[in-house]
Formats: sequence, structure tokens, C-alpha cells
Amino acid sequence: EVQLVESGGGLVQPGGSLRLSCAASGFTFSSYWMSWVRQAPGKGLEWVANIKQDGSEKYYVDSVKGRFTISRDNAKNSLYLQMNSLRAEDTAVYYCARALSGYAAYYYYYMDVWGKGTTVTVSS
Amino acid sequence: SYELTQPPSVSVSPGQTARITCSGDALPKQYAYWYQQKPGQAPVLVIYKDSERPSGIPERFSGSSSGTTVTLTISGVQAEDEADYYCQSADSSGTSRFGGGTKLTVL
Repeated sequence: EVQLVESGGGLVQPGGSLRLSCAASGFTFSSYWMSWVRQAPGKGLEWVANIKQDGSEKYYVDSVKGRFTISRDNAKNSLYLQMNSLRAEDTAVYYCARALSGYAAYYYYYMDVWGKGTTVTVSS
Repeated sequence: SYELTQPPSVSVSPGQTARITCSGDALPKQYAYWYQQKPGQAPVLVIYKDSERPSGIPERFSGSSSGTTVTLTISGVQAEDEADYYCQSADSSGTSRFGGGTKLTVL
């Protein structure tokens, strides 16, 4: 069974740091792009970051650039999100997602498998 | 960057057809994708590349594209289809974006 399981969420003070993990199973992790997507309480989905299969390309939403770092360990089938200088507006459920990317008529990038999410709360 | 615009809510009676739109200036040159999210659950992909349906998604879900607007159509809506629906697009610069979401209410 294809599965993604996030962990590492919790309560952290503003300015603090947190490292999220995502354990993948049931598929060849090293063959897929991976993404982090978040959802603030009562709000919509927000794309956070992408990473290529070998980690050579990484992309971030503007609001987290310079504060968050996406990484992966293909030997451990794991995806990570290091979050520094956290702000109240980073409070959200963070989802790990498997992604498919390439070119057909146009460039494509979409998330076909999602984890259940881990909750991050930034508050004093 | 640009935005994807969805109506906040759509309501239909069971058995009717629901149409949820998503508008964006770059959509004529980008694919759109649709996700269903039920309360307390993770999103589920229901349409990819404008109109393709993943395995396991009922045939009543379909997608179409015309100019700057893409549409998710749910034919013969069932009570279990009540959920939030999000469109998503991506460009070759590596960035993705989601629409604001549409709450589908089955009356």
C-alpha cells in the first residue's frame, strides 16, 4: 500500500524551529518529486515547497523562502521540512505529498498521494 | 505571480449536476488539477491534466478547459460528494498554486 506518514509537528514559540518528517512506503520513493502543502485553520490549501527526485532542485513559496528548507534522504525513504524563524502565520496542518512532473502538451506537476498531515502551532 | 479564482460555494440537489469553475490568466498554457477534501481528511486528487481521471475516481467526476477557465463537473451528485474542492496549477519555474477552494453543498 502506498503510504505517506508525517511526524514532527507540535507547539513552538514564535522565532523557534521545528523539523517535519515524512516516511514513505509502498512505492519507489527515489523516483518521485515530493511536496509539502499546508492548510491554516479554516483556510485553503497552500503549496509550500517541492523537491526533485535527487534533491538537485528545490522550490519554495515566497513566504517561506530563507526560513524553510526542504530535503530528502532516498536511502531512508524520507522527506523533511526544516522550519526556522517560525511565525504565527505558519500555524497549519502540513501535508507531505507525492508528485508527478514532466511535459506533455504543457509542463505538469500534481500531487497524487497525500499523507494525513501533522499540525504545527506557533504561539507564545 | 497570479491567482486562481474559485467561487466560495456551490449548492446542488442530489442527482443534479454540479459545476465548479477555476479562473486564471495562465490556464490557457497550463494544466489544471482538482482535489477533493472532506472535513478532517487529506485532499484526494480527482482530476489531473485538465480532464484525466485517476483510477478509483467515479466516472461522474469530469474536467474541462476553455480559455482562462477550467471546470470540474460532477454529474448525478451524491451526498458523499459534499466536500471542499480545490483547483491547482503549476508552471515550469517550479512553483505551484491552489485556488481558494469551493465548498460543495448537497442540499
